[in-house]
Amino acid sequence: QKEVEQDPGPLSVPEGAIVSLNCTYSNSAFQYFMWYRQYSRKGPELLMYTYSSGNKEDGRFTAQVDKSSKYISLFIRDSQPSDSATYLCASPPGSARQLTFGSGTQLTVLP
Amino acid sequence: GAGVSQSPSNKVTEKGKDVELRCDPISGHTALYWYRQSLGQGLEFLIYFQGNSAPDKSGLPSDRFSAERTGGSVSTLTIQRTQQEDSAVYLCASSLDGTLSYNEQFFGPGTRLTVL
Repeated sequence: QKEVEQDPGPLSVPEGAIVSLNCTYSNSAFQYFMWYRQYSRKGPELLMYTYSSGNKEDGRFTAQVDKSSKYISLFIRDSQPSDSATYLCASPPGSARQLTFGSGTQLTVLP
Repeated sequence: GAGVSQSPSNKVTEKGKDVELRCDPISGHTALYWYRQSLGQGLEFLIYFQGNSAPDKSGLPSDRFSAERTGGSVSTLTIQRTQQEDSAVYLCASSLDGTLSYNEQFFGPGTRLTVL
């Protein structure tokens, strides 16, 4: 079993839709949770990160962590075609510095 | 300012040949990471450098893989006797200080390696 599991996708939605992307994790040592966005043929770029449980909002994006259920979510409001990309959840396990990634969800927002 | 750069952007090689992949981190970043991204396995950690030292090499898949970092800057990932299963995108990332509990990692565009 992978330490971080992510909904496989691909996901296709119409412009303006609310998108929900989800991951679960198994390692209780995870404390920081990141969402990366990766456009085709590019490296991942950090979208948001949260520490421990709770919500964090940045514009149209909201990251949510529920440590009791080991569940991570990213919500995108008013989705735009420019949001079309692969979204990766990630976390550094314990004191490690490298990131453990989910497999990624490919999102397409149709105009 | 300049981001993380990697070269070459694409590399096609024959099975059994050695390849070298290069990473130039963001200036001043002390931590450097190599990851591999493939269709079947997603994005996997390979090795982490703090300065010129590699405190964590746990992700290197075999002894055919090695990496070094010189002058606390440029890093080279070497794959000897390449195999077809080595075909993947090799990504490099750097962060300001890997000794802190959280540091944003900035990724380069990757090197797409194809082993024929």
